[in-house]
Amino acid sequence: DAKTTQPPSMDCAEGRAANLPCNHSTISGNEYVYWYRQIHSQGPQYIIHGLKNNETNEMASLIITEDRKSSTLILPHATLRDTAVYYCIVRVYGNTGKLIFGQGTTLQVKP
Amino acid sequence: DGGITQSPKYLFRKEGQNVTLSCEQNLNHDAMYWYRQDPGQGLRLIYYSQIVNDFQKGDIAEGYSVSREKKESFPLTVTSAQKNPTAFYLCASSITGITEAFFGQGTRLTVV
Repeated sequence: DAKTTQPPSMDCAEGRAANLPCNHSTISGNEYVYWYRQIHSQGPQYIIHGLKNNETNEMASLIITEDRKSSTLILPHATLRDTAVYYCIVRVYGNTGKLIFGQGTTLQVKP
Repeated sequence: DGGITQSPKYLFRKEGQNVTLSCEQNLNHDAMYWYRQDPGQGLRLIYYSQIVNDFQKGDIAEGYSVSREKKESFPLTVTSAQKNPTAFYLCASSITGITEAFFGQGTRLTVV
């Protein structure tokens, strides 16, 4: 599974869009990009995943560059409850289900 | 409600004792996983199981054991051989072949 690189921390003003970047320059053609988040002392929560097309759901949007070497998770209107550690993971769809977590980005949403 | 349940939320044990963490799911998922998280760190895979009566070691299996006798249950035993057992333990499940994993709320184990 490809390795990902994320900034250790970011701040965002409440009500503004939060854009969380992720680099995955060694991603393979059959590897998907997954995003999870973990609020303090809770289990990680699935947010979204994608292969090469941009994806959107009720929680967030995922923008993947054309060369697939990087992606951005967008929370369109961040709230204080979005304060969490966000993990970007790349892995083969349909594999054993193993998720290899890195250090993630700590997003602090401020009033 | 469907979900994955870990119990207890907090667990204290004396050094040298084995302890078993419970993980139950009613999502009808075939695959289940155990992760360990240390303060300020990401999650590391301990064991995973894709089907009943079968499981594989993850990246940090030493000092741990598991069983998968029922589809809905995947208990983790932290043995006295685990050198640094104090950690936050997370259980997850997913439909085999579909990798969106659902996590429990975790068990925080403290060994004194």
